[in-house]
Amino acid sequence: DSGVTQTPKHLITATGQRVTLRCSPRSGDLSVYWYQQSLDQGLQFLIQYYNGEERAKGNILERFSAQQFPDLHSELNLSSLELGDSALYFCASSVVERGDEQYFGPGTRLTVT
Amino acid sequence: QKEVEQDPGPLSVPEGAIVSLNCTYSNSAFQYFMWYRQYSRKGPELLMYTYSSGNKEDGRFTAQVDKSSKYISLFIRDSQPSDSATYLCAMSASGNTPLVFGKGTRLSVIA
Repeated sequence: DSGVTQTPKHLITATGQRVTLRCSPRSGDLSVYWYQQSLDQGLQFLIQYYNGEERAKGNILERFSAQQFPDLHSELNLSSLELGDSALYFCASSVVERGDEQYFGPGTRLTVT
Repeated sequence: QKEVEQDPGPLSVPEGAIVSLNCTYSNSAFQYFMWYRQYSRKGPELLMYTYSSGNKEDGRFTAQVDKSSKYISLFIRDSQPSDSATYLCAMSASGNTPLVFGKGTRLSVIA
């Protein structure tokens, strides 16, 4: 158990809908990262937050947004969902601002029908 | 050319074999190198972490980095069926740059 928690474990929704994924980092970790994992693309970095502020952006679509709250938990919002958004979404956290040692949560499996 | 290349396998070996997993990369700025293990439908688990070139050993696992060749390896000695998983290499430059992952190599260790 990495100490990173994610909810929900599974999510099934329809195209066009909006969902929110939640992540709680390990105790003491200030950085949170979001990744998308699909079979063909592998693990793709989406966005990083450090102590409430956005620090880095990767291949995140404009339909997706995230935030980190004062208690350091983070939420990833996915809107206008498309079939291609079906994937595993992982959250990771690290103790320092540098992302060299990241600990991953169990993931949320999103299925868009 | 992708930044990080990793043979997807699958790689199937008998129990007790020595396994060699590899990644190549193109970005010479990468200094931090990691190996993650991911079991089916689980989150990646950090296995090994290496800074710059050289070797690092932890139990049955050895990580090697050759920056001159832009090549990293993970060796698993005395492989066990419980080692069956997908192994992902990851790397980053210094500072706030995010991790870049290989696509992973699927390993099966047959009892």
